[in-house]
Amino acid sequence: EAGVAQSPRYKIIEKRQSVAFWCNPISGHATLYWYQQILGQGPKLLIQFQNNGVVDDSQLPKDRFSAERLKGVDSTLKIQPAKLEDSAVYLCASSLSGGGPNEQFFGPGTRLTVL
Amino acid sequence: AQSVSQHNHHVILSEAASLELGCNYSYGGTVNLFWYVQYPGQHLQLLLKYFSGDPLVKGIKGFEAEFIKSKFSFNLRKPSVQWSDTAEYFCAHTGRRALTFGSGTRLQVQP
Repeated sequence: EAGVAQSPRYKIIEKRQSVAFWCNPISGHATLYWYQQILGQGPKLLIQFQNNGVVDDSQLPKDRFSAERLKGVDSTLKIQPAKLEDSAVYLCASSLSGGGPNEQFFGPGTRLTVL
Repeated sequence: AQSVSQHNHHVILSEAASLELGCNYSYGGTVNLFWYVQYPGQHLQLLLKYFSGDPLVKGIKGFEAEFIKSKFSFNLRKPSVQWSDTAEYFCAHTGRRALTFGSGTRLQVQP
């Protein structure tokens, strides 16, 4: 079974530039998550999708971050414009359904450096 | 709001030593607790989880964790660590939605 795919693996940009990350979840997984992991901290949820609808985006900085999952499969996360404090690893995860005891499967992450 | 606390940020052990990593959570609703591990250069993967039944759960690679409701704790244990257990360990909790993670514990096992 293929795992969660993410690209790119690394990205370096200057502040005020824009960047986009892509995620392809495990086939058949209805729920998709984007997490932000700052160095030395645990992952923090940015947004959760159930199929192509948003379940939770309460911690997404909506003035600069956006995400979509138009066909209920793969997803993109965009930052525009980027700030220095956005330097982090962006993790995508998927599960059969949301919350509860369902295991979330994580991708390798995209390491973003903002200069 | 949910929160998860991991008290040990960096632990250094010799091979064959016993391991216990602390985890406390604050949430009064449905309890779903997880330990995830991230080996160097690899992605997060599930070690074990608890959501009901026997409070002592066993996971992969000889790890186990005990849910103690009265203490809001879910500590991870392993009787004898190996060099290959060097990794970062995250405790996490979920109610109805996504995971809330602790800050992680970096375990370094010296041969």
